[in-house]
Parts: sequence; C-alpha cells; structure tokens
Amino acid sequence: ETGVTQTPRHLVMGMTNKKSLKCEQHLGHNAMYWYKQSAKKPLELMFVYSLEERVENNSVPSRFSPECPNSSHLFLHLHTLQPEDSALYLCASSPGTGVKAYEQYFGPGTRLTVT
Amino acid sequence: AQSVTQLGSHVSVSEGALVLLRCNYSSSVPPYLFWYVQYPNQGLQLLLKYTSAATLVKGINGFEAEFKKSETSFHLTKPSAHMSDAAEYFCAVSDQGGKLIFGQGTELSVKP
Repeated sequence: ETGVTQTPRHLVMGMTNKKSLKCEQHLGHNAMYWYKQSAKKPLELMFVYSLEERVENNSVPSRFSPECPNSSHLFLHLHTLQPEDSALYLCASSPGTGVKAYEQYFGPGTRLTVT
Repeated sequence: AQSVTQLGSHVSVSEGALVLLRCNYSSSVPPYLFWYVQYPNQGLQLLLKYTSAATLVKGINGFEAEFKKSETSFHLTKPSAHMSDAAEYFCAVSDQGGKLIFGQGTELSVKP
C-alpha cells in the first residue's frame, strides 16, 4: 500500500467516449503527476501539479485534460482518444520541496484500452 | 537535458545468483539518482535513492547501488536473487523542477 490510489484499474473505451481517471493520495504531499507508460518505452511525464497549480504540460494532446481540485485529488479527463493512447496511466505524488520532491510515490495505474 | 540509459532490456539470473542491473546517466552536475521496481499489475515502488551522501546506498529487499561519478553510473546489485525479485526495474535521474527522467526499464527474470 503506497498511499496513492487510482480508479478505475481497468478501462475500455471507444474513440467517441468521454471518461475520467481518478487519483487520490493520502500522504499529505504537495505535488501530483500523471505519467503514461507504454510497452517498451520509458515513462512519459504528462502533467505536473504543485499546490494545485499546473506547472508542467509536456506537449500532451488536448484530448487529455487534467484537473486538480485540491492537493489530494487529481483527475485526467479523456475524450475522443485514439488507439495509440492505449497504455497504463500512472499517477504519482511527492512532498514537493527539496530533495524529497524527487521521491515520487506511485499508484497502481489505470490500464486503458481504446477501441 | 538529462538522460538515463539502462543496458539490457531483459536480464535473466538463477535463484541465488548475483543480480546486476546497469544504469548510466548523462549530467554535468551530480544529480539525484533513484531505482524503482514495478511488479506485474502494480505501480512503481521506490527501491533506493542517492542524494549526495554516501556513494553506496542500501535499499529495500537487499538491494544496493553504488554511485560512481567518474563512470556516471548507478548500477543496482543484489548478492543473491530470489524468485520474488522478478519484476521490472527502472533507473531515474533528477531533472529541474522536481521532475524525474526514467530509463527504459530492465525486466529481471529469476530461474529456479
């Protein structure tokens, strides 16, 4: 148990659907992250939120829309996805200050399949 | 920009044998370095970290890693592999703004 939960764990959606991924951290951290993990590729950082403000958007297509309503919750809203968006989406959190900012704690991920 | 190279996408060892997973980084300034492990159907779990203190770092589950600045390396070792060590291992280096840059991962298989 890492203190970071993600729901749903598995999601199958059509290209015209709209869905949302949810992440919740119970660690009192200040920063939260979305990563995309595709087979045989390094983890791709998508978004970073620090104190509920987006501080990083790594050229992610607009069909992915993040939301951070408070420091414990992070959402990733999905719409009109493409089959190549199928991947494991990982949420992480970190204390957000000093060297401990780099100690990221990961959730179990949401396995997304776009049909 | 920082980068991380993990040599060998797949390593296979026998149970009880030495585990050696290689990681090299590119950085002009000594960074912070991390090893994470990912078991099937789970997220990443922090194994150990180097943050400019002792160059030999001990982590969970009997793993350790040594920071060698002259070789820009941070290889992960374990003296005796256990079946439960089978997983994917990721090396990561710190980048500006609290970001981590991850290697491509090394899948470790342990044969009985």
